[in-house]
Amino acid sequence: DAEITQSPRHKITETGRQVTLACHQTWNHNNMFWYRQDLGHGLRLIHYSYGVHDTNKGEVSDGYSVSRSNTEDLPLTLESAASSQTSVYFCASVGTLGDIQYFGAGTRLSVL
Amino acid sequence: GENVEQHPSTLSVQEGDSAVIKCTYSDSASNYFPWYKQELGKRPQLIIDIRSNVGEKKDQRIAVTLNKTAKHFSLHITETQPEDSAVYFCAAPLYSGGGADGLTFGKGTHLIIQP
Repeated sequence: DAEITQSPRHKITETGRQVTLACHQTWNHNNMFWYRQDLGHGLRLIHYSYGVHDTNKGEVSDGYSVSRSNTEDLPLTLESAASSQTSVYFCASVGTLGDIQYFGAGTRLSVL
Repeated sequence: GENVEQHPSTLSVQEGDSAVIKCTYSDSASNYFPWYKQELGKRPQLIIDIRSNVGEKKDQRIAVTLNKTAKHFSLHITETQPEDSAVYFCAAPLYSGGGADGLTFGKGTHLIIQP
């Protein structure tokens, strides 16, 4: 079955380290998104992509970057992890003919 | 970009009663309004959505209403059951009005179903 998967599911890292979170979807969707979820804030958009080699900043993009070298993957990189980036990260995708966003299972990141 | 406000933050109802969660939005160009349910430790899952060309949509015990003039939309759950206990999020398109772009979410409503 087509799906969207995230890895790792849990990650502990230290302040200042570079971290990359993976997102892979098999629906052949063009639009992919990264959100972070924090208590009291709901989900907030970090970055998004409309297709290969396209990336755009969202609401809370500082300290994060993404790249899109193929349709299936949108990795999220924290260049120098900070404690404020401790959060749960969700990847999502949507087809160009629809509106519905489908979410991955999430990655819980702790920056110590 | 769009801004969404959601109320209440916590809602406790007796099993079998109805629950209503309300959201307001700021951008009159927004035309897609989904509702997501999130159980503890799980991913958000779409339960119902509505587009701006209709005022109400129903799916069994769940309904969503939209008032474009007042710029608010509401989730209605009837005959609540224990499995309805979760956090519910409303959302709207963050930038362009449509749902194929990024979403902005309300802060969530923790729905508690009392036995």
